[in-house]
Amino acid sequence: DIQMTQSPASLSASLGETVTIECRASEDIYNGLAWYQQKPGKSPQLLIYNANSLQTGVPSRFSGSGFGTQFSLKINSLQVEDVATYFCQQYYDYNTFGAGTKLELK
Amino acid sequence: EVQLVESGGGLVQPGRSLKLSCAASGFTFSNYYMAWVRQAPTKGLEWVASITNSGGTTYYRDSVKGRFTFSRDNAMSTLYLQMDSLRSEDTATYYCTRDQGTTRGPLFDYWGQGVMVTVSS
Repeated sequence: DIQMTQSPASLSASLGETVTIECRASEDIYNGLAWYQQKPGKSPQLLIYNANSLQTGVPSRFSGSGFGTQFSLKINSLQVEDVATYFCQQYYDYNTFGAGTKLELK
Repeated sequence: EVQLVESGGGLVQPGRSLKLSCAASGFTFSNYYMAWVRQAPTKGLEWVASITNSGGTTYYRDSVKGRFTFSRDNAMSTLYLQMDSLRSEDTATYYCTRDQGTTRGPLFDYWGQGVMVTVSS
């Protein structure tokens, strides 16, 4: 099974800051990578798919990049509503989720 | 507007059964693969099972194979997850999800609000 490793496990950032979350796959998954956002007490929402495609309705301050085994999610100009846990998911070889990155405000 | 509404959760003793339902609306249900994803308390996300748009093929994670049965009624736009021989490690919030469709594995573009299943004596 493909393992997904996210880093950091948690981070604290200030409003307006740029934040980057990393996700590493244990083997090549090409661009079969998605990012989800789960706000406290809510269901997850799809943000990014195919590593860098923005899901309809997601603010443009979110972006994804990467290919193969290394991927990242960037949030520009952090907003209060971005406080959430972020999960990566590979869907190249069926599917596996990362453990999540909890983003808090400093 | 796409809506997925789960029901049927609750507290159940180990070894007993529970059946979850998910009512879908706002899209052509019979065109989409669907899936269940669960999340244990304070833990991450874990795919449980998927079903093709016709309901003819199902896929399960190893830990629930032989115990869970995923089915659908396209006429009623409803999904069902029959969970038998429940274990404490099945305790989680279960989310009904729509599979956006890719050439590889599942991609979950809509999620229900979730339903809690607690397995405990």
